[in-house]
Amino acid sequence: SAVISQKPSRDICQRGTSLTIQCQVDSQVTMMFWYRQQPGQSLTLIATANQGSEATYESGFVIDKFPISRPNLTFSTLTVSNMSPEDSSIYLCSVRTPGNTIYFGEGSWLTVV
Amino acid sequence: TQLLEQSPQFLSIQEGENLTVYCNSSSVFSSLQWYRQEPGEGPVLLVTVVTGGEVKKLKRLTFQFGDARKDSSLHITAAQPGDTGLYLCAGVRNNNNDMRFGAGTRLTVKP
Repeated sequence: SAVISQKPSRDICQRGTSLTIQCQVDSQVTMMFWYRQQPGQSLTLIATANQGSEATYESGFVIDKFPISRPNLTFSTLTVSNMSPEDSSIYLCSVRTPGNTIYFGEGSWLTVV
Repeated sequence: TQLLEQSPQFLSIQEGENLTVYCNSSSVFSSLQWYRQEPGEGPVLLVTVVTGGEVKKLKRLTFQFGDARKDSSLHITAAQPGDTGLYLCAGVRNNNNDMRFGAGTRLTVKP
């Protein structure tokens, strides 16, 4: 199994500001992902966080808006830049373990006012 | 268009009833997972199915993976209020590393 810690768990942010979410895993994992879950909806993949190289973004998500870092095999950050109320969501970090099981953090709940 | 279509989207039943949730796609998946998410928490993995035709049971929950590995179902027997939550299916496609989610089924079990 993998234990995933996300920080912050919740935040209220002013529009136009940026917030960085941290994801720490208790073991080395090859694959880390960032998802967004808007209120009442399912999960949408933002990007795959690649260790040592630029993240791979899904359609509709760009690096300028959602810069991602992955400095090592246990840590990643997602920044939500120049926030607007439409960015109010839960942001979830997930990892795939060597056994191909995928685990999620408890999410970071962002409200943009 | 969702890669994985879940149905029904909403389901409200009485305690003790049975229910089935479906997850369908035109794509083949190397594995398919079911998660349950409760308010304020991240999704929690219930089961992973990898073999076409596979059936897995987890207490009152029965999961089935279609023979062609394009669809799956979750059956709950004698539902309880504690089963209330958002049920999500998610699939990993062949030759891909990422996981895609269905829209979810929001289940409410009334006492």
